[in-house]
Amino acid sequence: GDSVTQMEGPVTLSEEAFLTINCTYTATGYPSLFWYVQYPGEGLQLLLKATKADDKGSNKGFEATYRKETTSFHLEKGSVQVSDSAVYFCASQKVTFGTGTKLQVIP
Amino acid sequence: DAGVIQSPRHEVTEMGQEVTLRCKPISGHDYLFWYRQTMMRGLELLIYFNNNVPIDDSGMPEDRFSAKMPNASFSTLKIQPSEPRDSAVYFCASSRTSGGPLGHNEQFFGPGTRLTVL
Repeated sequence: GDSVTQMEGPVTLSEEAFLTINCTYTATGYPSLFWYVQYPGEGLQLLLKATKADDKGSNKGFEATYRKETTSFHLEKGSVQVSDSAVYFCASQKVTFGTGTKLQVIP
Repeated sequence: DAGVIQSPRHEVTEMGQEVTLRCKPISGHDYLFWYRQTMMRGLELLIYFNNNVPIDDSGMPEDRFSAKMPNASFSTLKIQPSEPRDSAVYFCASSRTSGGPLGHNEQFFGPGTRLTVL
């Protein structure tokens, strides 16, 4: 069946550091892929998505590219801020979520 | 748009009591999902509906859990009897059919119900 695997956390970075959170998937066909973010005390909200291979999703300085050859959808941001501290979930359109990666950004 | 609405936001109950969680999805959305989130197990999909019909309930932990969707604008998740291990945050989410072969699109989550069973 379909699955999504993302890197374990927590990840601790200094402000303005580069962020990468790895996500790989196994799927039948080519489902849309998503990154969701969960801020403390809130529900998940969509951060970005890509609907087909080679698509790049982007939002709020975050980017992820749907790579068919490596079955990956890694989340990146060039310069993180304290306000980016949250839990990030990679997900497949087939109702499959990763385990979440907690990011803490310190000033 | 009001977003997905869940009630109550917090529930504290005693073991053995019945608990009912409620969800109002976004108008026009035809998929509805119930999740449970804990530190130990992370985010777990319990059940989801399409056009008010349960499609996959394989994540429902046991017979004490039941979910209904009597119409397109309302769903309930019931636990009877409740146990301390049911303590968690329960999320409801909704989405709209994407029109493609794989069904739904991105999900919109409610704020969650924090359940504590003593």
